[in-house]
Parts: sequence; C-alpha cells; structure tokens
Amino acid sequence: DTAVSQTPKYLVTQMGNDKSIKCEQNLGHDTMYWYKQDSKKFLKIMFSYNNKELIINETVPNRFSPKSPDKAHLNLHINSLELGDSAVYFCASREIGSSYNSPLHFGNGTRLTVT
Amino acid sequence: RKEVEQDPGPFNVPEGATVAFNCTYSNSASQSFFWYRQDCRKEPKLLMSVYSSGNEDGRFTAQLNRASQYISLLIRDSKLSDSATYLCVVTGTGGFKTIFGAGTRLFVKA
Repeated sequence: DTAVSQTPKYLVTQMGNDKSIKCEQNLGHDTMYWYKQDSKKFLKIMFSYNNKELIINETVPNRFSPKSPDKAHLNLHINSLELGDSAVYFCASREIGSSYNSPLHFGNGTRLTVT
Repeated sequence: RKEVEQDPGPFNVPEGATVAFNCTYSNSASQSFFWYRQDCRKEPKLLMSVYSSGNEDGRFTAQLNRASQYISLLIRDSKLSDSATYLCVVTGTGGFKTIFGAGTRLFVKA
C-alpha cells in the first residue's frame, strides 16, 4: 500500500541515451516534487507541480523535462544523459491546500547510473 | 550563503548520550520547518515538524528561534538505532519551495 511509488528503482544506462522515471502518489496530495541527491548526499530541489501546474523550476538543464498528466503523477524525462546526471532521484508529494505546514512524503528513490 | 546550513558532523556519541543539532536558514520569510531523518541508501522520512513554541516527541525536542533564524534538534538517551543523517528542512515564501540542509551525520556507538 505504497504512498509514493517510483519506477524504476535502479536505472543503468549509457551517455547520450534518453530515459524516464515515473512517480505516482495515492495520498491525494496536490503538490509533487522531484529532488536530486548527488554523491555528496545533498538533496536539491529540481521541479514542483501543484495541481498539474509547474510552479518551481530550479536552474535545471532543459534536458530534464517533467510532466504531470494529473495531480497523482509526476514523471521525469531526461534527454542526452551525461555522466553528471548519475544520482538518486527522489519523488515527493505534499498537500499544500490551505496550510504550508504539511510535510513531504518521499518515494523510495531511483538510483540512476550513467556510464 | 546557503539557504539552509547545518554542521555536517559527524557526531560520534555513546549510547545514552544527549546530542544537539543546529540549523540556520537565510530567508526570514520562511514559513514552516521540519527535521527529517535519512538512513543510508533510503528515502528521507519525517522525524518531526518544528513549531514556534517548541515541541517534543518522546526523546526528541525541536526548537525554533525566528528572530535568529535558527532551528535545533535535541536527542536524549541516544539509541544505536538513532544513527542516521538528520536533515533540517525549511519551506520558503508561498509554501511550495522546500529546501533541505546538507544534513548532519550521527553515529551512536555501544
């Protein structure tokens, strides 16, 4: 009964390839996020969608394109993968609604390795 | 200046010790504050929210000082299972942008 689920869990691919990561939440939350955690373990916000609308885009190369078909799903497509894209990508969701005090709920992460 | 700053540690403490972590944030308009815990190769999990009046959850106490833009976490009677990275989290103006500190690593030893 997973609340935030990401697929795949592991992704190994070569430079130059295009890949997608999918995320789904069954919590009924209105806001979803993508975070990148690099080898130094720093969690950096990439994108956020609120009710399918992009509200945060944090200086991410345009090779990264998020898509939210509905408020329960937020996918991440990456074109022309580079070595520096190797990281763990976490999807998260929260209910903003009328309160900013709601915490984030994370998926298990997708470990991307680019060779 | 980073938006959220934490002492990276590591903190090495014996079981039963009391340990405190600090965090500062740069945006005075920040609206909500949390401590998360992350175990190795796992996703971050909410430890506790931080309220202006301070709050406690068992062995864990969180404090917020808005004037100094400072958040703290106190862990009493440390257990081996408390070994993890503790992440300070701040939500900015508008409530959408949720920023993580780099984390403080804690090792509790028998």
